[in-house]
Amino acid sequence: DAGITQSPRHKVTETGTPVTLRCHQTENHRYMYWYRQDPGHGLRLIHYSYGVKDTDKGEVSDGYSVSRSKTEDFLLTLESATSSQTSVYFCAISESQQTQYFGPGTRLLVL
Amino acid sequence: KNEVEQSPQNLTAQEGEFITINCSYSVGISALHWLQQHPGGGIVSLFMLSSGKKKHGRLIATINIQEKHSSLHITASHPRDSAVYICGVNYGGSQGNLIFGKGTKLSVKP
Repeated sequence: DAGITQSPRHKVTETGTPVTLRCHQTENHRYMYWYRQDPGHGLRLIHYSYGVKDTDKGEVSDGYSVSRSKTEDFLLTLESATSSQTSVYFCAISESQQTQYFGPGTRLLVL
Repeated sequence: KNEVEQSPQNLTAQEGEFITINCSYSVGISALHWLQQHPGGGIVSLFMLSSGKKKHGRLIATINIQEKHSSLHITASHPRDSAVYICGVNYGGSQGNLIFGKGTKLSVKP
């Protein structure tokens, strides 16, 4: 299995609070991705990174920001969490347009 | 609008049956992905292909670029194949141009 971890694995927070999710890889892959998965929508790309300090938006980027200061870490921040951001968040890594390897997911509940 | 459609949405099969899951997309793509999501939630990448056919064990993935269609076949299905199968496509030149279908839920009965 590819070395990808996500933290925390579960989080409950209140509306309006900031939340940061962390994705850590030990594979030295260039690309890292953040997805959210919701019933009825499937997987949707939030942001992705193609290198240190190089990031770009995905399909559902509003309300989210990301940072990648090191190859191995990709952070997803919800500046002010809303109930609509309750979801399961997956991180993935890949080398160019190759197979993506997924992390275990983070369940976020915004009350 | 770029879309990925999967069929069927739900599929129940008896152990040993041959299974086909279909994926259609609306734009030219550079790559197509098949993922498997286990009941516990973990996601595993099965195939990434841009043409032709790939095989891994009892799983076969095919793609027809002209018809904008891909199929995932499972031979000699087993209860452990029960999972959600997700199709996704890369379109355009950016790695961020990635969209996924809503998945096909497969249940294989012993």
